[in-house]
Amino acid sequence: GAVVSQHPSRVICKSGTSVKIECRSLDFQATTMFWYRQFPKQSLMLMATSNEGSKATYEQGVEKDKFLINHASLTLSTLTVTSAHPEDSSFYICSASGTGASTNEKLFFGSGTQLSVL
Amino acid sequence: AQKITQTQPGMFVQEKEAVTLDCTYDTSDQSYGLFWYKQPSSGEMIFLIYQGSYDEQNATEGRYSLNFQKARKSANLVISASQLGDSAMYFCAMREAGRQLTFGSGTQLTVLP
Repeated sequence: GAVVSQHPSRVICKSGTSVKIECRSLDFQATTMFWYRQFPKQSLMLMATSNEGSKATYEQGVEKDKFLINHASLTLSTLTVTSAHPEDSSFYICSASGTGASTNEKLFFGSGTQLSVL
Repeated sequence: AQKITQTQPGMFVQEKEAVTLDCTYDTSDQSYGLFWYKQPSSGEMIFLIYQGSYDEQNATEGRYSLNFQKARKSANLVISASQLGDSAMYFCAMREAGRQLTFGSGTQLTVLP
C-alpha cells in the first residue's frame, strides 16, 4: 500500500519555541493532506485540510496563526506549531489523499508525532 | 449530532475467539464510504477494511469482515480468531461525498492470552 512518512516521531521543546512537523507521501502524489490532533484515549480531531499550492482550510476553533500549514509540493506538507505552549502538547498525525474527496478512497496515515512542550 | 457512534469504549476477548466491534452512523447521503482503522500503541493508523454504501455484499479482508446493515445504519467490525497483536484502539469512520473523513470515539480492544 501507499506510504506516508511523518517526522519527527517525538519532539520535546521549550515553551515559546516553534516546531515543524513534516509529512511526505513516498510513492504517490498527494493532492490533499489532512492534519489531525489526538489527545490520549480520544478520537482524531481534524485540524486542517491542505491542497497542494493553495492555502489550508482550517476547522472551526483551530488557530491558523498558531498552526501554520504549508503544502508546497505534491509530496510534502508541513505543520509548524508556532510559539508552542504546554497546552499544545498532543499527538499530531497527518494523512494523505490522491484525489481528496472520493467516498471510497482510503486515507494513508503517517506514524504521528508526539509533541511535548515543557 | 454524532456522525459515527462507537458505544464500546473497551472490549476484552480471549485469544482465538471472535469479537464484534459496534459502529453506527448517521447520514442522509445515498453515497458514502465506511472504514475501519486500527491504532496500536505506537500511534500509527492502519487501514483495515472498507465498505461502500452501494456494495451489496459485506466486505472481507482476511480475518476482518464488516457486518453492514444499511437499514439500521450499522457497520460492525468482526475480527475472527483474535490474536494478541490485535490489541489496539479501533476506529470506525465515514466519508460522505465531498466531505472529510469523520471518526468515531474508538474502542480499545484487549486480547487475553
